[in-house]
Order: sequence, then C-alpha cells, then structure tokens
Amino acid sequence: QLQLQESGPGLVTPSETLSLTCTVSGDFINFSSFYWGWIRQPPGKGLEWIGNIYYSGSTYYNPSLKSRVAISVIASKTQFSLRLSSVTAADTAVYYCARLAGASGSYNYWGQGTLVTVSS
Amino acid sequence: QSALTQPASVSGSPGQSITISCTGTNSDVGTYNLVSWYQQHPGEAPKLMIYEGSKRPSGVSSRFSGSKSGDTASLTISGLQTEDEADYYCCSYAPINTWVFGGGTKLTVL
Repeated sequence: QLQLQESGPGLVTPSETLSLTCTVSGDFINFSSFYWGWIRQPPGKGLEWIGNIYYSGSTYYNPSLKSRVAISVIASKTQFSLRLSSVTAADTAVYYCARLAGASGSYNYWGQGTLVTVSS
Repeated sequence: QSALTQPASVSGSPGQSITISCTGTNSDVGTYNLVSWYQQHPGEAPKLMIYEGSKRPSGVSSRFSGSKSGDTASLTISGLQTEDEADYYCCSYAPINTWVFGGGTKLTVL
C-alpha cells in the first residue's frame, strides 16, 4: 500500500526558505510513471496546487509561485522535496504531498499534511 | 491561472440528491476530460472521489457521480448521508502541465 509522509519545520521565519520532504513508501519515484506533487491549504481556505515533478525529473509549477518554488527528487529515490523561498505570512498553510496519476489526471494518494507557520 | 468556480455552500437532507458545479474555461474544463473531485473532512487529507470527470475509484460509493457540460463539471451525490457532510473540491488539468483547483464547496447535510 502506497503511503506518503510530509516532514519539515513547522515554523519558518519571514523572508527565509521553507523546506519540506515527502517520504514515499511502497513505491520508487523514479521507477513509476507518475507525477509527484505538492498542494497547500491556508487555514480555513481552499486547496492550491503548487507543482509536480515527473519521475523523469521534469518539473511543473503554479505560475503564481514559479519564481519561488523548486521541487526535486532526493537521491534516495523514495523522497522528494519542496523549497519555497522568500516566504511571508501568506505562505502559512497545511502542505500536502501527493501522487498524481497523469493518465487520469487525479491525485489518488495523499500524505496527511503538515502545518507550516510563517512567523517571526 | 484562475481558480475554478464552485458554490461556497450547498445543503440537503438525508436521502436527497445534491449537485455541486465547477465552472472553468474552454482552456481547462471545457477542453480536457481531466476533472477530478475530492472530499475533505475537517482535519483530514483530501480523498479522491471522481476522476476523468465521471469515473469512480475502487471503494467509492456509487452514490457519487460526475459529469460535464461545456466548461462546467458537476458532482452529484444521491441518497445523501450524514457522513457526506464535508468540503468538496474540483480540480482540472490546464495547459501546459499545470493543475487548478476550485475554491471548494461546503456540503451540509441537514
């Protein structure tokens, strides 16, 4: 059974870089034809797509965040990461990692989410 | 990239049917049959309920169905049950290789 788990600091200082890791168990990122993505949800608000990384390493980002976002696969091939630079309070949210089945265009596996607060 | 438009809230009584709309543009919902729907209970991660506009993943009740007409996708829940009370989000592919969510709809089962 595929499982995803987010990890990283729960508190980030404004103007610094938010860094999160998603650990995948039950699959290998570079051996399966799926996209691996990040989605966030500010407190009390809706879901916002951040970006995806394809198993080949190609990345795709939300145009509104593109200048600040980087998603990469970690050498272990069972983890991928999110880096969001120059954060502000508006970046406070629950961050989810998820697997996207490209052919069906749906996120069929999700992590439980991790709350990241941007505050000094 | 603009968020898809959903009603903020809908409500229904147990046993009734409700429909949640999701309006995009001819650049996303109207062109691609890659609309998915997610159910989210408070404090939980979203759960996939419908993919490719009308297909149900294994384990999802047949009371949930999806459809599309033009630039608008719809999620219908028949035979409402109290456990259906949740937030629902649509999501669509948009060129090139991007994805956009709707603002979400809060379903209240009266």
